[in-house]
Amino acid sequence: EIVLTQSPDTLSLSPGERATLSCRASQNVGIFLAWYQQKPGQAPRLFIYDESNRAPGIPDRFSASGSGTDFTLTIRRLEPEDFAVYFCQQYLHSPWTFGQGTKVEIK
Amino acid sequence: EERLVESGGGLVQPGGSLRLTCSASGLTLSSHRMSWVRQTPGKGLEWVAHIREDGSESNYVDSVKGRFTISRDNAKNIAYLQMNSLRVEDTSVYYCATGGHYYGLWGQGTLVTVSS
Repeated sequence: EIVLTQSPDTLSLSPGERATLSCRASQNVGIFLAWYQQKPGQAPRLFIYDESNRAPGIPDRFSASGSGTDFTLTIRRLEPEDFAVYFCQQYLHSPWTFGQGTKVEIK
Repeated sequence: EERLVESGGGLVQPGGSLRLTCSASGLTLSSHRMSWVRQTPGKGLEWVAHIREDGSESNYVDSVKGRFTISRDNAKNIAYLQMNSLRVEDTSVYYCATGGHYYGLWGQGTLVTVSS
């Protein structure tokens, strides 16, 4: 089973700042990586698929990069609605697995 | 508006059974692979099962193989998760979602608690 390790666990930033979230896979997952945002009491929401493709309705301040084992989600300028938990997920090797999440909180 | 709504969760004793239902509106489920994903505070998010558009093939995480069965009724626009021989460690919020790899649309989740 592929283990995804996200870092940091918590990112404390102010609105307007840039956020950089990391996801590292224990094995090569190619480009088969997705990112989700989850807010309290809500289901996760797909933000990025196939490593760098934004899902419909996701603003372009969100970008993602990487391949193989190291991936990054970048939020160019944090808006108030961006403070949430972000999860990565790989879907190359079954079972598909998720990272433990990075919480982006208001500093 | 596309929407998925789960139901059927609740409190059940170890060894018991539950059937979760995922009802779709605003979209045609037969066009989508369907999955169930669960979430606990301790274990995080875990893919549980998925099923092809026509129901011809399904796959499960090892921990539920032989106990859980995913199915669908495309005519009713519904997907199911039959859970038998439930264990304490199956306690989670269960989400249905569209997609067999990444998950584009999620329901709001239904809580399953396995406890004596």
